[in-house]
Amino acid sequence: GAGVSQTPSNKVTEKGKYVELRCDPISGHTALYWYRQSLGQGPEFLIYFQGTGAADDSGLPNDRFFAVRPEGSVSTLKIQRTERGDSAVYLCASSQPGTGTNEQFFGPGTRLTVL
Amino acid sequence: DAKTTQPNSMESNEEEPVHLPCNHSTISGTDYIHWYRQLPSQGPEYVIHGLTSNVNNRMASLAIAEDRKSSTLILHRATLRDAAVYYCILLRYNQGGKLIFGQGTELSVKP
Repeated sequence: GAGVSQTPSNKVTEKGKYVELRCDPISGHTALYWYRQSLGQGPEFLIYFQGTGAADDSGLPNDRFFAVRPEGSVSTLKIQRTERGDSAVYLCASSQPGTGTNEQFFGPGTRLTVL
Repeated sequence: DAKTTQPNSMESNEEEPVHLPCNHSTISGTDYIHWYRQLPSQGPEYVIHGLTSNVNNRMASLAIAEDRKSSTLILHRATLRDAAVYYCILLRYNQGGKLIFGQGTELSVKP
């Protein structure tokens, strides 16, 4: 079956613009995670959804960042008034809790560049 | 969050075993030890996890110290495709499963 997909693969925008990043998780996975990864660093947790609700958004850096998952499958990460420091690879992962390993399956990421 | 400490980098020769260490001296009783790896230009992928006993799967083995303050990921025969950054992560299930990544160990494999 298909893995986690993310679109777009690359996004270049200008400072101050609004962007949306999309994640399609593995079908049936109820848990969905967003991370971001700056160059040379490990991924940093942003937000976790269980179903439609955000169970933990403690990693969102500020109120310019927002994420939704209205039907419990596809999720969109929204960034308002982008800043150059937002440039990073944004990773999405999904998992099915209760399956033993709690393994998270990651997508290939969206590379965001803010000019 | 409990922290892990790993060497920044390690080198191995192809077809030789590799032992990747991880220290987690502040581990709690409910923390599972997970390993993920990230190949260049890809998202991380799960490798293995354990709680107290040593574990084996098709990718690797995980050796956990008796006091659980350290663990070692063992790749039995390194291949060029194993060159990646390896992350040791403590996962407490009542925190919803979010992964807290450190810097990881960058493994290079020489032919």
